[in-house]
Amino acid sequence: QQKVQQSPESLSVPEGGMASLNCTSSDRNFQYFWWYRQHSGEGPKALMSIFSDGDKKEGRFTAHLNKASLHVSLHIRDSQPSDSALYFCAASESNTGYQNFYFGKGTSLTVIP
Amino acid sequence: GPKVLQIPSHQIIDMGQMVTLNCDPVSNHLYFYWYKQILGQQMEFLVNFYNGKVMEKSKLFKDQFSVERPDGSYFTLKIQPTALEDSAVYFCASSLWGGAYEQYFGPGTRLTVL
Repeated sequence: QQKVQQSPESLSVPEGGMASLNCTSSDRNFQYFWWYRQHSGEGPKALMSIFSDGDKKEGRFTAHLNKASLHVSLHIRDSQPSDSALYFCAASESNTGYQNFYFGKGTSLTVIP
Repeated sequence: GPKVLQIPSHQIIDMGQMVTLNCDPVSNHLYFYWYKQILGQQMEFLVNFYNGKVMEKSKLFKDQFSVERPDGSYFTLKIQPTALEDSAVYFCASSLWGGAYEQYFGPGTRLTVL
């Protein structure tokens, strides 16, 4: 069973619009979440982490975590064509030790100029 | 920012041959990882490596796979022998510490097994 689920699979938004991406874990041990972005032909790059309940804002990006429901979301305001990419949610059980990340299948975002 | 390098960027080999994928991780990082990605889709964890040892591996890390980092040089993934289903993009990543520390990914090596 997939431990990290992402929705939607793909998303199109107009330039300047708001993009909302969702991620849910089926494993209550996952307490630490990251959002990664991968442009075509490149490796994933970390966008932001969120480890505590509530919102975390970094520029145009806002992540929200609800540990009770194991749901994390990413909202991109004022979307730009350069935001077009594959977005991965990654979860970890621990913030120490050798725990690896479990990635979701990704959401493909297209920002239409 | 910190960069992870991967060599080569693309490798084409015949089924049954051996291949070694090389990764130059961020210099002060202690944890190293390999992931497999098919057709630009899900990143699937293969293995993590710390202090000269494999700490955890997934079911995708078959007996034909091995990793090492001799004397602080490249962190390598060796596949011997290769199979058609090994065709994918392989990403190396490194992190300063384990757990939920940020992992820095390389640009990937596209492996094509004919």
